[in-house]
Amino acid sequence: EAQVTQNPRYLITVTGKKLTVTCSQNMNHEYMSWYRQDPGLGLRQIYYSMNVEVTDKGDVPEGYKVSRKEKRNFPLILESPSPNQTSLYFCASSLSAGGRYNEQFFGPGTRLTVL
Amino acid sequence: ILNVEQSPQSLHVQEGDSTNFTCSFPSSNFYALHWYRWETAKSPEALFVMTLNGDEKKKGRISATLNTKEGYSYLYIKGSQPEDSATYLCAFIRRDDKIIFGKGTRLHILP
Repeated sequence: EAQVTQNPRYLITVTGKKLTVTCSQNMNHEYMSWYRQDPGLGLRQIYYSMNVEVTDKGDVPEGYKVSRKEKRNFPLILESPSPNQTSLYFCASSLSAGGRYNEQFFGPGTRLTVL
Repeated sequence: ILNVEQSPQSLHVQEGDSTNFTCSFPSSNFYALHWYRWETAKSPEALFVMTLNGDEKKKGRISATLNTKEGYSYLYIKGSQPEDSATYLCAFIRRDDKIIFGKGTRLHILP
């Protein structure tokens, strides 16, 4: 089944404890992206990747890192999480870069709470 | 318009009625516009990918139009059904490949 998977789905952690949220897609998609969803603010893009070893900042990249060593994986790294990073996170992928012809497929979401 | 704006924020519609809502976006730097449907406790799912001025797309009872010169897109739902209750998101894709989502229109269908 074609899908985008994220792990973990739920995470409660404490300030400063490094964490990684994994994202994997099995559709051979070039473009992958991370978003955070906060009440009243909508989905905001954190980082995106056009292909392997190519990553770029979205609108809210502060406090996050990403890597794209393999085409299928795009992990989101929080080196020193803070309470303002408590949010619902979505990973998404699309066949080609930029979404000119192809829609994004979203993962199930990761609910992160930083105490 | 510098941001992507959707209106109304929330909408209650009687079952069987038709409805529409708006996505406004910057007319410059346009590359594509997507519409997504987002049900509670699920992930957003794509409805339409629109790229050309004057584009009209249709999927069942749902259709969308695009005006890139004035920077707006309309989503129409004909004969609303309870399963149409969801949040509808538009996403503006810029030429630098960044994606900016609107805050969505939350649609409630009343029985």
